[in-house]
Amino acid sequence: NAGVTQTPKFQVLKTGQSMTLQCAQDMNHEYMSWYRQDPGMGLRLIHYSVGAGITDQGEVPNGYNVSRSTTEDFPLRLLSAAPSQTSVYFCASSPGQGLGNYGYTFGSGTRLTVV
Amino acid sequence: QQQVKQSPQSLIVQKGGISIINCAYENTAFDYFPWYQQFPGKGPALLIAIRPDVSEKKEGRFTISFNKSAKQFSLHIMDSQPGDSATYFCAASIRAGANNLFFGTGTRLTVIP
Repeated sequence: NAGVTQTPKFQVLKTGQSMTLQCAQDMNHEYMSWYRQDPGMGLRLIHYSVGAGITDQGEVPNGYNVSRSTTEDFPLRLLSAAPSQTSVYFCASSPGQGLGNYGYTFGSGTRLTVV
Repeated sequence: QQQVKQSPQSLIVQKGGISIINCAYENTAFDYFPWYQQFPGKGPALLIAIRPDVSEKKEGRFTISFNKSAKQFSLHIMDSQPGDSATYFCAASIRAGANNLFFGTGTRLTVIP
């Protein structure tokens, strides 16, 4: 069982470039989320989805876009990269409320540097 | 603003000692309080979680203490081992809806032999 798979693991972008961070889960989880982790700030929610076709904004959504066309995949798009988006990005998934399991499983992260 | 406040920022404990990390929250709608453990280069992993209808939950050497009236909860690691050296995050969420997690700022624990 692969769990939550994120690609790439590392990426360097130039200011203004766009790119997509990939996230896939093979656990048939209903909920998926994207977080960014910055030193001294913990993890902050960017966007989340409670099912295919349903997405919503988290705490820090500006500059990012998401879509969820399948249960398995939840890509995060950076529209025009800025140095302030230098961070470690984590994707997470959870079974959802119906199974009474509220725990999120995290991927191993994508370390992004914008120069 | 930080919805979950965590302290201390870093902690050094001798092997065999007790590690204690504290968290506080303001939003009384929070009803699920997990702790995550993160090793360098890895994603956070769920360690233990508690709901506000109990005051304590124990799993092995890890115990969560919960004080609903004070809006505080803490993680105790008994008999701390060098392998426990990691960053620990407390979090809080509202189970209804998307159960989105609000994280504390993390505590870097170092257990010295």
